[in-house]
Amino acid sequence: DIQMTQSPSSLSASVGDRVTITCQASQDISNYLNWYQQKPGKAPKLLIYDASNLETGVPSRFSGSGSGTDFTFTISSLQPEDIATYYCQQYDNLPPEHTFGQGTKLEIK
Amino acid sequence: QLQLQESGPGLVKPSETLSLTCTVSGGSISSSSYYWGWIRQPPGKGLEWIGSIYYSGSTYYNPSLKSRVTISVDTSKNQFSLKLSSVTAADTAVYYCARHSRVAGTLDYWGQGTLVTVSS
Repeated sequence: DIQMTQSPSSLSASVGDRVTITCQASQDISNYLNWYQQKPGKAPKLLIYDASNLETGVPSRFSGSGSGTDFTFTISSLQPEDIATYYCQQYDNLPPEHTFGQGTKLEIK
Repeated sequence: QLQLQESGPGLVKPSETLSLTCTVSGGSISSSSYYWGWIRQPPGKGLEWIGSIYYSGSTYYNPSLKSRVTISVDTSKNQFSLKLSSVTAADTAVYYCARHSRVAGTLDYWGQGTLVTVSS
């Protein structure tokens, strides 16, 4: 089974800061890596797919990069509405199987 | 606009079977491009994929839950369902249904989630 290690588990930053979250896979997953935002009491929302592609309608301050085992999610300029927990998700399609990172809780300093 | 809605009991007794249904509206569950899945989230914790089903009935389960999980589909009702047997307090969670792409695995549409508590 592929394990996903996400860090940090929590993060405090100021409005306007650049924020970076990392996700490491236990083996090469190519670019089968997606990022989600979850606000309290809500379902997760897809932000980035295939490691670096921005989902339609998602603000351009969100971005993703990486391939193989190491991936990065970045918010270029933190906004108050970005307060949420962020998850990476690995997908294997033979057979279909999803693995989530542990999550990063983002707070405003 | 595609919508998914979970339904089922909010309270289940230990050792019994948890049963939930997801009703899909605004689109067909018989699309060849997607699987339909269940994901859960214990209170204050992270996300765990439970399993997925294709409209043909092919199923795929999380190995850690496989012995207790059954997912089925009813294309005539545009619904799919989850059964989790022999539940314990550790199965208390918000249960989400979601659609995911067969290729990219993106979970792009989610239900609002339903809290299921396991307690006597």
